[in-house]
Amino acid sequence: GAGVSQSPSNKVTEKGKDVELRCDPISGHTALYWYRQSLGQGLEFLIYFQGNSAPDKSGLPSDRFSAERTGGSVSTLTIQRTQQEDSAVYLCASTPDHLNAAFFGQGTRLTVV
Amino acid sequence: GQQVMQIPQYQHVQEGEDFTTYCNSSTTLSNIQWYKQRPGGHPVFLIQLVKSGEVKKQKRLTFQFGEAKKNSSLHITATQTTDVGTYFCGGPTTSGTYKYIFGTGTRLKVLA
Repeated sequence: GAGVSQSPSNKVTEKGKDVELRCDPISGHTALYWYRQSLGQGLEFLIYFQGNSAPDKSGLPSDRFSAERTGGSVSTLTIQRTQQEDSAVYLCASTPDHLNAAFFGQGTRLTVV
Repeated sequence: GQQVMQIPQYQHVQEGEDFTTYCNSSTTLSNIQWYKQRPGGHPVFLIQLVKSGEVKKQKRLTFQFGEAKKNSSLHITATQTTDVGTYFCGGPTTSGTYKYIFGTGTRLKVLA
């Protein structure tokens, strides 16, 4: 597609439920990132995929968070047993390589009630 | 770990006034990129600086990359209400997995 696509755009879930967030990067971009942004805050790095290398998971806040990227394209961020503090906008970005500009998706606004 | 700080955190200006945000990294950067996020939107790439001491201009916006490649600034001349948003600097780390990290952002409000 023309840009980074994320789905759903909004997700409301009950505390304790699992959620899956999807990111479809720009075709041909080898690098894919997930960030979390709480209201009025900065961009918190979560995880980074680069080609076939092992992902950099150093930003994942707990073992309830996991992500995978299948076939070097679509990525899914999974949050298990959601907590209220997980409420935030989850942003995905892709780049052609690690030295170029990042293109962001519109984000998924997650609300845990 | 590598950290990128931005100051100020918030800035309110009257329309027509100038505005500057500063970006400081704890380590040398390969390059620096600037992004703008409008309220309710997602970050959008503005510009990339690569060379030490580099200066680039986009209309009323002037971007600088420090000589040591550890700091950068964004200056807006004669702000307009369309400049409202949060400005982030960021870029790839110079070692390890080269992941992108971003500054804390500066939120700009322009009063008409």
